[in-house]
Amino acid sequence: GAVVSQHPSWVICKSGTSVKIECRSLDFQATTMFWYRQFPKQSLMLMATSNEGSKATYEQGVEKDKFLINHASLTLSTLTVTSAHPEDSSFYICSARRSEVYGYTFGSGTRLTVV
Amino acid sequence: AQTVTQSQPEMSVQEAETVTLSCTYDTSENNYYLFWYKQPPSRQMILVIRQEAYKQQNATENRFSVNFQKAAKSFSLKISDSQLGDTAMYFCAFMIGNTGNQFYFGTGTSLTVIP
Repeated sequence: GAVVSQHPSWVICKSGTSVKIECRSLDFQATTMFWYRQFPKQSLMLMATSNEGSKATYEQGVEKDKFLINHASLTLSTLTVTSAHPEDSSFYICSARRSEVYGYTFGSGTRLTVV
Repeated sequence: AQTVTQSQPEMSVQEAETVTLSCTYDTSENNYYLFWYKQPPSRQMILVIRQEAYKQQNATENRFSVNFQKAAKSFSLKISDSQLGDTAMYFCAFMIGNTGNQFYFGTGTSLTVIP
């Protein structure tokens, strides 16, 4: 149980275009989902907290207009990287809060390459 | 402020041997949870073990066990009978209870199991 599906697993896009990444909780409802960014050989950096039916909460230094987050249902959150630039290339991971005891379940991540 | 420190960026261990990964944290909270996550080359974050701060007994999961020293704010992970599949990045993580929001990761320890 507690599976989180993230799609796509990798994407290459041109500079200036937008890319949407989906995060779905398959067998549980997640009122809260989280988006992380991870650079090579580094830890996960929390970008934003996505709350179903309300605006996302962004961490300091994360541009909310560049990284649009939508959490329209209890099982789906999306991250859209708008007007992507090469410096946005990274590994993006979502997670859903299953319960306080069990913590987070993570998606398999999306490798974004902007050329 | 909450911090998680992993002082060993890289470690190696011979197959079948035992290795201990260290983690310390700093918090003024009383209600919190501690986790160890494994991230193999596939980049999928996998929960290894968790510990509730109010429990004195150290958590164990098969070959994985923790040494939780609450007063010292230490949470080390012991891997017994190391296997090649244990090669991965290991992240220590901390979550404050009853908030559902803040989840802090350490910088990670890269573990290599040598055949």
